[in-house]
Amino acid sequence: NAGVTQTPKFRVLKTGQSMTLLCAQDMNHEYMYWYRQDPGMGLRLIHYSVGEGTTAKGEVPDGYNVSRLKKQNFLLGLESAAPSQTSVYFCASSYEDTDTDTQYFGPGTRLTVL
Amino acid sequence: KNQVEQSPQSLIILEGKNCTLQCNYTVSPFSNLRWYKQDTGRGPVSLTIMTFSENTKSNGRYTATLDADTKQSSLHITASQLSDSASYICVVMNYGGSQGNLIFGKGTKLSVKP
Repeated sequence: NAGVTQTPKFRVLKTGQSMTLLCAQDMNHEYMYWYRQDPGMGLRLIHYSVGEGTTAKGEVPDGYNVSRLKKQNFLLGLESAAPSQTSVYFCASSYEDTDTDTQYFGPGTRLTVL
Repeated sequence: KNQVEQSPQSLIILEGKNCTLQCNYTVSPFSNLRWYKQDTGRGPVSLTIMTFSENTKSNGRYTATLDADTKQSSLHITASQLSDSASYICVVMNYGGSQGNLIFGKGTKLSVKP
């Protein structure tokens, strides 16, 4: 099993450009999440999905859109990138939404917006 | 406000020594507390998950303790190895919350020197 994979690993954008980050998991997990990690801050949830075809807002959803057309994939889109979106983005997945279920994280995408 | 505070921010120890990392939280009501290890340039990996009724939990050389009364947790690393160099993140879930409502600490960066 590859676990959770993310594409691309690195990306540099100019302000106003758009891009899509792809997350894929092969563990048949129902739940998937997008986080961002900034220096000096804890991980913050952007959006999440509780199953194929569903999405929900997290703590910091503004400026991002997501889609979950297939169970194994969760896409994060930036329509018009801003320097404030420079960050490391992590995707995660979990089998269920029980209190003690573990979230499995991908390796991250480092995004720089100039 | 629900918060998770970790101390120290960073720590340097010699290989073979023990160390203890601290986590204080103000999350209420409480469901569970997790410790994650994050290697540089990688995604977090789960070490332990403890519910309200659990006082201690071990994973190899890692032992986590929880005092739900004082809202404190610690992660003890025994006989440290160079591979223990990483950031350790404390994460708390609200009771009745969901996997989309985890509160992350900023992490403690541990460096193990030979």
